[in-house]
Amino acid sequence: GDSVTQMEGPVTLSEEAFLTINCTYTATGYPSLFWYVQYPGEGLQLLLKATKADDKGSNKGFEATYRKETTSFHLEKGSVQVSDSAVYFCALSPSGTYKYIFGTGTRLKVLA
Amino acid sequence: DAGVIQSPRHEVTEMGQEVTLRCKPISGHNSLFWYRQTMMRGLELLIYFNNNVPIDDSGMPEDRFSAKMPNASFSTLKIQPSEPRDSAVYFCASSPAGGVDEQYFGPGTRLTVT
Repeated sequence: GDSVTQMEGPVTLSEEAFLTINCTYTATGYPSLFWYVQYPGEGLQLLLKATKADDKGSNKGFEATYRKETTSFHLEKGSVQVSDSAVYFCALSPSGTYKYIFGTGTRLKVLA
Repeated sequence: DAGVIQSPRHEVTEMGQEVTLRCKPISGHNSLFWYRQTMMRGLELLIYFNNNVPIDDSGMPEDRFSAKMPNASFSTLKIQPSEPRDSAVYFCASSPAGGVDEQYFGPGTRLTVT
């Protein structure tokens, strides 16, 4: 079945460091891919998405590219801030369906 | 827009009691989802409604759990009787366009069953 695998956390970085959170997926067809972010005490918020191969989603300095050949959707940011500290979830939605399959989440802690 | 509204934000109850969680989706969204989040199992979809009709309840753990959506602006998730293993954060999410797009999550209800 379809699945999402994220790198284990927590990830601890200093402010202004480069961030990569790895995400790979298994799915048939062409799913949509998402990154959601969850700040402490809040629900998940969409960070970015990509709906077809080679699409790049971007928002708030974060980027991720839909790589069909490597079945990956890695999240990157060039310079993290303390305010980026949160849990990041990679998710896929099989084409044309309502279902989301979430990864286990990666906790990011950014130190000043 | 007020976003998805959930109440209560926190609920502490004793084993065996009935618990009702409430959700108001974003106006105009026709899809509603209930999720449960735990450390052990991550985010699990419990039930999905489209146009107020339950479409997929395969994630509802057992008969103690039930969900209703009497109209487009309100849904409830009920646990009766509650057990300590039901302790989790329960999220409601809504989506336009039959759920085939971004889901908008509420702030969640943290349930503790003692």
